[in-house]
Amino acid sequence: QSVLTQPPSVSAAPGQEVAISCSGSSSNIGDNYVSWYQQLPGTAPKLLIYDNNKRPSGIPDRFSGSKSGTSATLGITGLQTGDEADYYCGTWDSSLSAGQVFGGGTKLTVL
Amino acid sequence: EVQLVESGGGLVQAGGSLRLSCAASGFTFSDHHMDWVRQAPGKGLEWVGRTRNKVNSYTTEYAASVKGRFIISRDDSKNSLYLQMNSLKIEDTAVYYCTREKYSYDSSGLDYWGQGNLVTVSS
Repeated sequence: QSVLTQPPSVSAAPGQEVAISCSGSSSNIGDNYVSWYQQLPGTAPKLLIYDNNKRPSGIPDRFSGSKSGTSATLGITGLQTGDEADYYCGTWDSSLSAGQVFGGGTKLTVL
Repeated sequence: EVQLVESGGGLVQAGGSLRLSCAASGFTFSDHHMDWVRQAPGKGLEWVGRTRNKVNSYTTEYAASVKGRFIISRDDSKNSLYLQMNSLKIEDTAVYYCTREKYSYDSSGLDYWGQGNLVTVSS
């Protein structure tokens, strides 16, 4: 059971857009920045979004992030087949059992 | 270019010990908090723990699932991060990633990841 809740899967056609949600609580998303990671098959995760909505150098602006209250959303526009991957949200949890927490991951299929 | 290269994984029996290493290059290692994250086969990401940077006295924090069994350490003179795993359980079987925290606040994101190192714990 992951601390953060994501849909197990989403799908869309090439060129379309998709949104992946991430739900948490006041001790994690509500109180801290959210990051998003992309994990292509057989590779290590890669940071896509940090501080809720900032992109590291080299990440295209097709990827965007937002946060409201205890939820966050990753948006991807102009979908490409190369975007097929698992996407994870992550943040810090400030509760007694403090630490990094992740969502269970969302498998994106580009049909 | 930032690089994190893990080593030391492999097969170990339940109850045994194993030490993972992570060699860092391309950045000022002592400036950054460093974390270990693991991923069981076919599963999601799980944070293992971290060591803060020198300014924050190298303090460590652990996930409840490994606290008391795993020890994270670092040697800034060697630009290296370590994960000593003791009393290993079958459920510790996973790919272990060495990661770098982007900034020195708790939720800054993990901006670089190693290639991953498979640890298999058998009965």
